[in-house]
Amino acid sequence: QQPVQSPQAVILREGEDAVINCSSSKALYSVHWYRQKHGEAPVFLMILLKGGEQKGHEKISASFNEKKQQSSLYLTASQLSYSGTYFCGTALTGGGNKLTFGTGTQLKVEL
Amino acid sequence: NAGVTQTPKFQVLKTGQSMTLQCAQDMNHNSMYWYRQDPGMGLRLIYYSASEGTTDKGEVPNGYNVSRLNKREFSLRLESAAPSQTSVYFCASSGAYEQYFGPGTRLTVT
Repeated sequence: QQPVQSPQAVILREGEDAVINCSSSKALYSVHWYRQKHGEAPVFLMILLKGGEQKGHEKISASFNEKKQQSSLYLTASQLSYSGTYFCGTALTGGGNKLTFGTGTQLKVEL
Repeated sequence: NAGVTQTPKFQVLKTGQSMTLQCAQDMNHNSMYWYRQDPGMGLRLIYYSASEGTTDKGEVPNGYNVSRLNKREFSLRLESAAPSQTSVYFCASSGAYEQYFGPGTRLTVT
């Protein structure tokens, strides 16, 4: 079952902050975050694992609440380059990284 | 390193025609994946391969077949294309965590 992302879309002015949420109805092993710019392939941002381990880009911040099966991606001091569609992908088990992706959150950063 | 490559980039098929989408990676990854992306639907997993010689169905496998030819290559075949298979297809590979995506194939079935 697909995780639910919110909001579906958000518009920011450069320098503003945003939070993107991802929620699942099932117990999760890991949550993955990707960003996709228009006409391009998705690019990895971060993985959050059960037990608290995180791996990803230094400038990206995220949290994973295992009990609530929820994850949030924090975008601070947004830049024009942050624009794109953000997807969370969830894995129920470890190994192989078989992911179920949400439908995405469209983020637009304006001057 | 080229990363993940896909061919072709664009394809137009008529209903009932068949074709194979090719994918190759040069990162020595064990796992490879095929996704389709439709507007408003996000990325949906068609098939994946955890290692050479193994394949498994994802969320939307009907109408597709795959072959993990070797560790580098993972192909997706449409035996009898249908308009519902019009989509953008992405191949990906992964090591321990991060999935690397190819540039995609935009397929239109008329």
